[in-house]
Amino acid sequence: AQSVTQPDIHITVSEGASLELRCNYSYGATPYLFWYVQSPGQGLQLLLKYFSGDTLVQGIKGFEAEFKRSQSSFNLRKPSVHWSDAAEYFCAVRLASGGSYIPTFGRGTSLIVHP
Amino acid sequence: GAVVSQHPSWVICKSGTSVKIECRSLDFQATTMFWYRQFPKQSLMLMATSNEGSKATYEQGVEKDKFLINHASLTLSTLTVTSAHPEDSSFYICSAREQGLAGGPLYTDTQYFGPGTRLTVL
Repeated sequence: AQSVTQPDIHITVSEGASLELRCNYSYGATPYLFWYVQSPGQGLQLLLKYFSGDTLVQGIKGFEAEFKRSQSSFNLRKPSVHWSDAAEYFCAVRLASGGSYIPTFGRGTSLIVHP
Repeated sequence: GAVVSQHPSWVICKSGTSVKIECRSLDFQATTMFWYRQFPKQSLMLMATSNEGSKATYEQGVEKDKFLINHASLTLSTLTVTSAHPEDSSFYICSAREQGLAGGPLYTDTQYFGPGTRLTVL
């Protein structure tokens, strides 16, 4: 069965420190990959996505993610975290072609930023 | 671009009443929209897929007679919670699928989310 795993429920970092949020997936075919961010009481905002091409993708707000097919991972990174980055982060994966185009979401990782 | 709005952003109603939530794609046409429910500190739970001009497809365990979905145009889908009860209190989020032309330079095939609606049933 298709699945998306975000192994970290919470991540705590100091402001200015680097960040990496993990996402692993289990899919039988080439996936499309997404990262979304959700601030409290808000909807989800698309940070970045990977469809094909360069495996290192740049997103908004200084985030980037790297697709590693051999590791079935799509980890989200940011070199220097700001206090405003505190939010819930969701990784989502769907099939690139055929089958359902509905993405599967991970359970989310809550980012806490200390001053 | 790719903005999705929801209205209302929050609503409080009495038990037994019906509540309608609107989801609009503001700058693109969406043949497919999705409705999610989110419980506190949890991920999104897909309730149904709404296709313009046809019946919605509900996920297993979601009562179609309770959660009525209408997708009457390419920019509007509505979710009506009928005879709402306190257990229906939740955060409801819609999303719209932006596709563009397959194989073309503007092809995106990405879901964009609305800001959500907080429903509280007393």
